[in-house]
Parts: sequence; C-alpha cells; structure tokens
Amino acid sequence: GQQVMQIPQYQHVQEGEDFTTYCNSSTTLSNIQWYKQRPGGHPVFLIQLVKSGEVKKQKRLTFQFGEAKKNSSLHITATQTTDVGTYFCAGLKVRDDKIIFGKGTRLHILP
Amino acid sequence: SAVISQKPSRDICQRGTSLTIQCQVDSQVTMMFWYRQQPGQSLTLIATANQGSEATYESGFVIDKFPISRPNLTFSTLTVSNMSPEDSSIYLCSVEAPPREQYFGPGTRLTVT
Repeated sequence: GQQVMQIPQYQHVQEGEDFTTYCNSSTTLSNIQWYKQRPGGHPVFLIQLVKSGEVKKQKRLTFQFGEAKKNSSLHITATQTTDVGTYFCAGLKVRDDKIIFGKGTRLHILP
Repeated sequence: SAVISQKPSRDICQRGTSLTIQCQVDSQVTMMFWYRQQPGQSLTLIATANQGSEATYESGFVIDKFPISRPNLTFSTLTVSNMSPEDSSIYLCSVEAPPREQYFGPGTRLTVT
C-alpha cells in the first residue's frame, strides 16, 4: 500500500499567500526528493534532501527533511501564478532502496 | 541533468492491439524506469530497465503485458500489449542521474477505445 503520504491533496491560495505541503513516510528514508509537475507537463526534479534535519532553499521555496528522516515539507512564500502545479515528494526507502512517490499536492492560485 | 524524448507523444488505439513507446536519452545512463500516471494521479512504477539484463517489474505488472527492451545505454522501449480501456494513461520514462535524481521524459498519452 501507499507508504508515503502527502497532504493536502489540493490547496487553493490567493496569489501572494504562503503554501505548504507535507510528506510523511511509514519507514525511514535514505533521502527525499521533490518534483513539480505543471498542468499537462511531466514531473521536474526540484531538490533532494539527504541529511537528518536538513533545510534547503531555492528562492521562495524552502524544503525541510525531518530529524527522523520520515517526513518532509515544502513551503512556498508569497505564491505566484507560476507556482501552479502538482508537487510530489518521493522517498528513497532504506529497506529496499526503492523510490516511492507521494500522491502529490495540487496547488491552484487564485488571482 | 539529461534530455529525454519519447515517441509517440500521444496515440489513440483500439482494444486488443499493442503500442510500443520509445524513450531516447541524450547521454548514457544505467538506470531507466517506466512509470504510469493516470490523469491527476501519482506516478506508479511499472519496471526498471537496466542495459544487459531483464527488466525488473513491480507488483501488478508482468512482462507479457508490458515487455521492455533496453538494447543500449541511451534507449529503451515499453510495449503495452493487448490493450484495454483500463490501459489508458500517461506513460513516462525516466532516468536516474547521480545522486539518485530522476529526470522524466515528456510522456506518452495513450487512449484505448
């Protein structure tokens, strides 16, 4: 069954508001990756986190990896219309070295 | 990163027929993957294709239904055999670049009527 849970499934925000999506795994992960898929497009790699408690920033995007390496978050500050899309987390499981994708969070920006 | 192309980009096929999807990468890669994505859904791994060995299929996917070829380090094909409407989906190939980052092709949108 699904071992990487991602919430929320959908999020509507006003342009300029912040947005956060959360990813939780039932098992310890070697790393966590985040991907963005624009409507009609394919997933595009954003970032990879490897270390416990790691925090990385890409302009308005902040990515965190939990201390136990079982959860992660992506936070977008002051959303823009270009942020529209579905954000997927993908965890690399320690147990079997397989990557499992979350179901994604679809972000919709209200003008 | 890697540049990946897929052919065809989309197709409409009749049930009972087969479609072969091609995936071409602009550099040599060891690991290639085939995913299926239903509209608005997450990515489901079909199989891992390594050059020089049989593809490794995930639970729920079998070689007779989804035969895969990997003749060299830049190319792979996925065939969807004896199609039914339930096979309508987007099929994506991806490659793994160090350190375990995945890069996806543009996808093939398949509709089975």
